[in-house]
Amino acid sequence: EVQLVESGGGLVQPGGSLRLACAASGFPFSDHTMNWVRQAPGKGLEWVSYITRSSNTIYYADSVKGRFTISRDNVNNALYLQMNSLRDEDTAVYFCAREDTAGGFAYWGQGTLVTVSS
Amino acid sequence: SYELTQPPSVSVSPGQTVTITCSGDKLGDTFAHWYQQKPGQSPLLVIYQDTKRPSGIPERFSGSSSGNTATLTISGTQPLDEADYYCQAWHTSPAWVFGGGTTLTVL
Repeated sequence: EVQLVESGGGLVQPGGSLRLACAASGFPFSDHTMNWVRQAPGKGLEWVSYITRSSNTIYYADSVKGRFTISRDNVNNALYLQMNSLRDEDTAVYFCAREDTAGGFAYWGQGTLVTVSS
Repeated sequence: SYELTQPPSVSVSPGQTVTITCSGDKLGDTFAHWYQQKPGQSPLLVIYQDTKRPSGIPERFSGSSSGNTATLTISGTQPLDEADYYCQAWHTSPAWVFGGGTTLTVL
C-alpha cells in the first residue's frame, strides 16, 4: 500500500524556519518525481515545489523561490522541504504528492499544518 | 503568471449532470488533471490526461477537452459528490498550476 506521511509542521514566528519531511513507503520511491502542495485555510490548492527522481531538476513556485528548498533521500525514502524566512502567508497545510508518469498526482499524504504567527 | 480559471461554484440536483470547466491560455497544448477534495481530506485524483479515470473512480466521472478548455462532467450526480474540484495542468513556468477550485453543491 502506498503511503505518504508528512511531519514537521507546527507554529513558528515570522522570519523563522521549519523543515518538513514526507516518509514514503509501499512503492519504489526513487522511481517517482515528487511535489509539495499547500493549502491555506479556506483557500485552494497551491503547488509549491517539484523534484525529479535523481534531484536533477527542481522547480519552485514564485511565492517561495529563494526561501524554500526541496530535497530527497532515495536511500531512506524521504522527501523534505526546508522553509526559511517564513511569512504569515505561508500558513497552510502542506501536502507531499507523488507524481505519476501517466499524469497527475495519484497519491497524497494527509498533510501537515504550518502556522506562521507571532 | 499562468492561470487556470474555474467557476467558483456550481450546483446540481441529485441525479442530474453537472459540468465544471477549466480554461487557460494554451491549455489545449497540455493535459488537464482533476481532483476532488472533501472537507478535511487530501485531494483525490478523479481524471488524468484530460479523459482517463483512475482505478476505483466511478464511471459517472468523465473528462473532455476542447481548445483551451478542459471539462469535468459528473453524470447522475450523487450527494456524496459534493466537494471542491480542482483542475491542474503543467506549464513551463514555473511548473504545475492548479485552478482556483470549484465548489460543487448537490441540492
